[in-house]
This record gives sequence, C-alpha cells and structure tokens, in this order.
Amino acid sequence: QSVLTQPPSASGTPGQRVTIYCSGSISNIGSNVVNWYQKFPGTAPKLLIYSNNQRPSGVPDRFSGSKSGTSASLAISGLQSEDEADYYCAVWDDSLKVVLFGGGTKLSVL
Amino acid sequence: QVQMVESGGGVVQPGRSLRLSCAASGFTFSTHAMHWVRQAPGKGLEWVGFIWADGSEKEYADSVEGRFTISRHNSKNTVWLDMNSLRVEDTAVYYCARDPPGSGWRLDYWGQGTLVSVSS
Repeated sequence: QSVLTQPPSASGTPGQRVTIYCSGSISNIGSNVVNWYQKFPGTAPKLLIYSNNQRPSGVPDRFSGSKSGTSASLAISGLQSEDEADYYCAVWDDSLKVVLFGGGTKLSVL
Repeated sequence: QVQMVESGGGVVQPGRSLRLSCAASGFTFSTHAMHWVRQAPGKGLEWVGFIWADGSEKEYADSVEGRFTISRHNSKNTVWLDMNSLRVEDTAVYYCARDPPGSGWRLDYWGQGTLVSVSS
C-alpha cells in the first residue's frame, strides 16, 4: 500500500480528457512539489510534469498538472492511443525523508 | 546529450552482494544529486535512495536501509549502488536518475536500467 494513493487504472476514448489523481498528506504533497512520470513497458520512466504544473521541453501541452492541498492531479486532454502507459506521481516526504512514488495508474485508450 | 548508463546487473543468490554502476555523461555531474529507483516485475516504481551532489548526504528507503549503500566519484562521473544481503524481493530493474540542483526532487533524465534477479 503506497503512502501516495493513485487509482490503479483509468481509461478514455480518443479525443477525451482524462484526469488521474494522487492523494497524499501534509508531510508530502501538502509541503512539497509534485512530479509526474510516464512509463511504457520495457523503457525508462520519463518526466512528464514537474513542480506541480510545469512541462519539460518536448512534452505536449495536452498534459497538465495541478495541486491543491494534499492532492495532485494529472490531466490529459485530446487523448491519443500513444498515451496508453503507466503514470506515476512522486513527491518528497518531509517526515519519512524519502521520495514517494504513487502506486501508478495504468491508462487505457479504448 | 545527457546520458546515464547502468551496468552490473545479473543473477545472484539470496544473501549475496552485487554492485551496480551508473556512468553519466553530457552534463556537469558534480552539481547533480543522483537517485536509484527500481521496478520489480509487475509492480510500480519504488525509490531506493539518493546521494547529494557532493556525496555528503544520503537517504534510503526503509526496505533497503542498512543493506544498500550509494556512493559516487565526481571525477569519474559515476554513481554506484552496493547491494548486500540480497533478498528475492530485491529482484527488479534498477534505474539511476539525475536530480538537478534546486529542482524539488525532479528526476529529469533516467538510464535505461539494469536487471537484478535474486534467485537460488
């Protein structure tokens, strides 16, 4: 059981908007910035969103992030088949002194 | 271009040791903290630990504390993960990743990973 809670799965049809939530606590999301990673099977994770809502160069603006209190979210608009991947939130925890990853959300594009 | 290449993975018996290496290039290694993250088969990402840019500070996940040690040599642009008393549950692909200064624990570049299999 991860300290950061994500739904194990999410789905949408091409063109739809999908939101993935990440729930934490005051010592992690409530105190620090949240980063999101995209992972395809057999490949290294890729930084998708950093500092809650910033996109690295090359990441389409279809991907957006936000944070409120002890929760964060990743939104994907204009869903495409190539977005089918696993998505992870991550944040530093001030109490545990560790980087926490959410359990991951498997996104299916129907 | 920024690159990290892990090596040293393989098959090892429970209780034995293994050293993973991560060779970095294409950036100023000495200014970046470095992390190790792993993914067990069919599981999610799990943070293993990190080392500060100057090597003065390290933190580890509870699951590896006391068994794993991270070290680095900035002149060689290399970070290591020494794994002792390996357990079956340490079986995973291990990734190294860089953490730019002041980035809020942002892991912006990752290596391709190296597979460690602990089995008798």
